[in-house]
Amino acid sequence: GAGVSQSPSNKVTEKGKDVELRCDPISGHTALYWYRQSLGQGLEFLIYFQGNSAPDKSGLPSDRFSAERTGGSVSTLTIQRTQQEDSAVYLCASSKWTDSYNEQFFGPGTRLTVL
Amino acid sequence: AQSVTQLGSHVSVSEGALVLLRCNYSSSVPPYLFWYVQYPNQGLQLLLKYTTGATLVKGINGFEAEFKKSETSFHLTKPSAHMSDAAEYFCAVSDQTGNQFYFGTGTSLTVIP
Repeated sequence: GAGVSQSPSNKVTEKGKDVELRCDPISGHTALYWYRQSLGQGLEFLIYFQGNSAPDKSGLPSDRFSAERTGGSVSTLTIQRTQQEDSAVYLCASSKWTDSYNEQFFGPGTRLTVL
Repeated sequence: AQSVTQLGSHVSVSEGALVLLRCNYSSSVPPYLFWYVQYPNQGLQLLLKYTTGATLVKGINGFEAEFKKSETSFHLTKPSAHMSDAAEYFCAVSDQTGNQFYFGTGTSLTVIP
């Protein structure tokens, strides 16, 4: 079946502009995660949605970052007033419980470049 | 709080040689442990996982890892490297809820022909 998809695959923007990144999770997956992958920094957790529960926003680096998940499916990560340090690959993952553990499936990511 | 340390941001091995990628974690309780592989311009793909039971786990592409509680380690190995193994490898641990994941900074594996 279809995997996690993300759009756009690449985004170049100017400093100060707002950007929206989209994630389409695997159908039926109740959990959705956003991560940021910077060069040499590994994966940085941003936000986590689980069903209808309030999202875990503990990883969002500033109030310029926000995310929503509509209808328990598609999610949008919004970065307002982008800064050069926001340049990174933004990865989305959805997950389901398999046997006794929560298995994550990752999308290909959106590469954001802020000029 | 949990954390993951991957020793060596870059590892180079000759084709056919042993691959050893190191991962240590800190956790106050037995965690779930994962290795992911990321090929260029792709998302992360699960290589293998440890949840419970046998401490030596086998994954895809001939990789395996051993959970050593006394050493808080989960090193990834493959007996004979192949050119197609060149990629970025991430070790991860999840908390007891299984909902929050913590990733290492990754190890870039280069295979020399």
